[in-house]
Amino acid sequence: GIQVEQSPPDLILQEGANSTLRCNFSDSVNNLQWFHQNPWGQLINLFYIPSGTKQNGRLSATTVATERYSLLYISSSQTTDSGVYFCAVKGGGSNYKLTFGKGTLLTVNP
Amino acid sequence: GAGVSQSPSNKVTEKGKDVELRCDPISGHTALYWYRQRLGQGLEFLIYFQGNSAPDKSGLPSDRFSAERTGESVSTLTIQRTQQEDSAVYLCASSTTVGSYEQYFGPGTRLTVT
Repeated sequence: GIQVEQSPPDLILQEGANSTLRCNFSDSVNNLQWFHQNPWGQLINLFYIPSGTKQNGRLSATTVATERYSLLYISSSQTTDSGVYFCAVKGGGSNYKLTFGKGTLLTVNP
Repeated sequence: GAGVSQSPSNKVTEKGKDVELRCDPISGHTALYWYRQRLGQGLEFLIYFQGNSAPDKSGLPSDRFSAERTGESVSTLTIQRTQQEDSAVYLCASSTTVGSYEQYFGPGTRLTVT
């Protein structure tokens, strides 16, 4: 099946800093989603982005499908951005299930 | 409802007992998915429903796991004769089957087998 690798596994920032999270995948995809899992375990949808670029406030994402990667940018980070960021893809022959990466644990210190 | 809901939020059970976990998807979403998240890990796919049918059960870890969906709405995941390795958070998601198929997740059920 399709493989998803996220980097870095852990990231510690000071409030106000910017960061870039990366997601590499091993096959063509027809769906790519970025999620933020908050400290209470809730998965919050950030972006549905199988290709192209989107922005939502301080967050933006870019997926280059032909090169099999996606990037999540967080600008002017806040302590509430802390948590685990997951990339999940649908592809490699499947048209329903999402395959998740192991996530990036982000800690934003005040 | 506004989002996917799951119950119970927490379940502690003794090894060997059966448990039932419930998921209420977003109204109108015909696709429903169950995933499992072990501590510190990403999510593993368990099963997918299209309407009331489950075309792919390949993610179910063993025959102790089963799931059903009725009325193209509520789904129940049942784990029989629970084992300690079943301890995890069980998450449900739903999506439409037109357009993006973007999946929306519920808050999960944290299952602890003692």
